[in-house]
Amino acid sequence: QVQLVQSGAEVKKPGSSVKVSCKASGGTFSSHAISWVRQAPGQGLEWMGGIIPLFGSANSAQRFQARVTITADESTSTAYMELSSLRSEDTAVYYCVRAVIAPIPYFDYWGQGTLVTVSS
Amino acid sequence: DIQMTQSPSSLSASVGDRVTITCRASQSISNYLNWYQQKRGKAPELLIYAASSLQSGVPSRFSGSGSGTDFTLTISSLQPEDFATYYCQQSYGTPRTFGQGTKVEIK
Repeated sequence: QVQLVQSGAEVKKPGSSVKVSCKASGGTFSSHAISWVRQAPGQGLEWMGGIIPLFGSANSAQRFQARVTITADESTSTAYMELSSLRSEDTAVYYCVRAVIAPIPYFDYWGQGTLVTVSS
Repeated sequence: DIQMTQSPSSLSASVGDRVTITCRASQSISNYLNWYQQKRGKAPELLIYAASSLQSGVPSRFSGSGSGTDFTLTISSLQPEDFATYYCQQSYGTPRTFGQGTKVEIK
């Protein structure tokens, strides 16, 4: 059974950074992609970016490109998402998601979510 | 970016009703369309991938159809556990984009 277990809730000051981890178990970590999707309170789902651990290459949505860093450690089957220059609008639940890559990509397993609160 | 538009944004239905949710893409995405269900306070779960393929373990009352720009999620007979918010998502292009969601409520 595939499980994605994320790190705990965070409270951050505006302008600081947050790093969320996502440890995978029960599947082949490297041969899937890991994406990060966030959900602001009462809002919809927003894809931030993803990485294929096998290749180590990450991509991200243009609106986050300057602020987000997505990495993966194959040795521990853990993915990370770091978001910098935090502002109040970044308050959201952040999900890591395993993505089947081909032939049609889709998100088949989701982490439990990590609430990041940005507040002075 | 590919824009995904769902309709309706919300609906009220009774147990046993047939429910249809539509999703329209701003450009053709072939069958690169997935559907997710999200219950209050929980992570989304995959229902349908590649427009019409039922994810393992998902009840057969859920079905998906469509290709190109227009897609449909149908619940053939609504059950109490189906009251939730449903999202479509395209995986044709990057960034991956979601519809705004359709909230299914009890009538």
